[in-house]
Amino acid sequence: KAGVTQTPRYLIKTRGQQVTLSCSPISGHRSVSWYQQTPGQGLQFLFEYFSETQRNKGNFPGRFSGRQFSNSRSEMNVSTLELGDSALYLCASSPHRTSGHYNEQFFGPGTRLTVL
Amino acid sequence: AQSVTQPDIHITVSEGASLELRCNYSYGATPYLFWYVQSPGQGLQLLLKYFSGDTLVQGIKGFEAEFKRSQSSFNLRKPSVHWSDAAEYFCAVGARGGADGLTFGKGTHLIIQP
Repeated sequence: KAGVTQTPRYLIKTRGQQVTLSCSPISGHRSVSWYQQTPGQGLQFLFEYFSETQRNKGNFPGRFSGRQFSNSRSEMNVSTLELGDSALYLCASSPHRTSGHYNEQFFGPGTRLTVL
Repeated sequence: AQSVTQPDIHITVSEGASLELRCNYSYGATPYLFWYVQSPGQGLQLLLKYFSGDTLVQGIKGFEAEFKRSQSSFNLRKPSVHWSDAAEYFCAVGARGGADGLTFGKGTHLIIQP
C-alpha cells in the first residue's frame, strides 16, 4: 500500500496570504489528523477528521481550518498567515475510529511552510 | 489533559552501546503510549505502541519499551545501537476514546558516536 502523501512538500508564502495543504491517507483509512511541528512548541495536534466530520480540535485559532472529502482526502487551510505559522505540517491517517480504542497513526512526510 | 515529558533533549551514545530514552507521562487513567522516530526531513515512523496487556512491548528495528504504571514511565530501550539510529525520538500519549489527538513530548535527539 502507498503511504500517506502530502502536497506540496515545500511552500513559501508571505504574511497575510492564505494557504491550502493537501493530504491523501493510506487507502482504506478513514481518519485523518493534522499536526503542526515547530522547534519551539514541538508537535501539536490541530484537528482530526473522520467521515467528513471534524471530530476533535486542538488549541489553535480559527484561522486554521480543514475539511475531509468523501474519498477521505483532507485539506487544511490557514488564512491570514503570520510569521509564527512557519512550521512542518504533518498529516496522519488511521484505519478507523473505534469507540474506546485508539488506532495507531501513520504519518506523511509533511509540508514545510515558510512564511516571510 | 494528558502531558508527556522527555527529560533528555540530547543523548550521545557510542555505536554498539545500549540505549535508554526516558519518557514520563501524565494521564488520569491507563493511556495509550507510543514511540515515534523522525529522521531529518521525514515524517514520523511508529516504533512501538502500548495499549494494554504485557507491559514490555517489542517494536521495529530492535527497539523495546516498558510501561511502568507506578512510575508513569514508558522508556525506550535498544541493546545495541547502530549509526542509522541517529534521529529524533518522540514519546506520545493518546487518551482513551481518541479525543484531543496525540500529545507528544518535545523529543530526544540521539547522536551516535563512531
